[in-house]
Amino acid sequence: DADVTQTPRNRITKTGKRIMLECSQTKGHDRMYWYRQDPGLGLRLIYYSFDVKDINKGEISDGYSVSRQAQAKFSLSLESAIPNQTALYFCATSDRTSASVAQYFGPGTRLTVL
Amino acid sequence: AQSVAQPEDQVNVAEGNPLTVKCTYSVSGNPYLFWYVQYPNRGLQFLLKYITGDNLVKGSYGFEAEFNKSQTSFHLKKPSALVSDSALYFCAVRPIRLSGGYNKLIFGAGTRLAVHP
Repeated sequence: DADVTQTPRNRITKTGKRIMLECSQTKGHDRMYWYRQDPGLGLRLIYYSFDVKDINKGEISDGYSVSRQAQAKFSLSLESAIPNQTALYFCATSDRTSASVAQYFGPGTRLTVL
Repeated sequence: AQSVAQPEDQVNVAEGNPLTVKCTYSVSGNPYLFWYVQYPNRGLQFLLKYITGDNLVKGSYGFEAEFNKSQTSFHLKKPSALVSDSALYFCAVRPIRLSGGYNKLIFGAGTRLAVHP
């Protein structure tokens, strides 16, 4: 969805390096999410944010941190990357009006940690 | 534990034939149910959802899904498959908590649909 952009699209890094993945959205949504996708495991939630001052851990937050710089921007950091963080990372957004609304996903960032 | 199961890693269908991608779930209460599709090098795209009402819901690209409460299933269907439907399909469930708080989406592992000419 072109309304949700992620940079970079691909990144190869080495163990121990600090990495930041960025997400921007023009949908005007309050809620933003970071997921990782691993083959055979589906998507798992890393962090989510309901607004600039509200950030929450998801089911697999260890080894990650986030920053919500503005309503439209939500960054994911790996302070010291390790090989098992090799995955496809997705940012998503949703409107806060109802739990029944769908989430809108960015194109993903493929991260490889050597 | 709450979970979503997509029992088939891959579904192979000939173009023009009907297709079904299966999803069952184990959550408490009456959850909201979603299907997403992921094309190569793209993010997930919303296809359809079931919130309440008619058990058969229609979505994008001619897809529909049938909710079966007794079997806790939400199978994705299409009467006539196209080669362009080949993609990775994810079922997702959002449990509803009456006490409030955030109810995260629980995703299945995904099913790869391959439609052959």
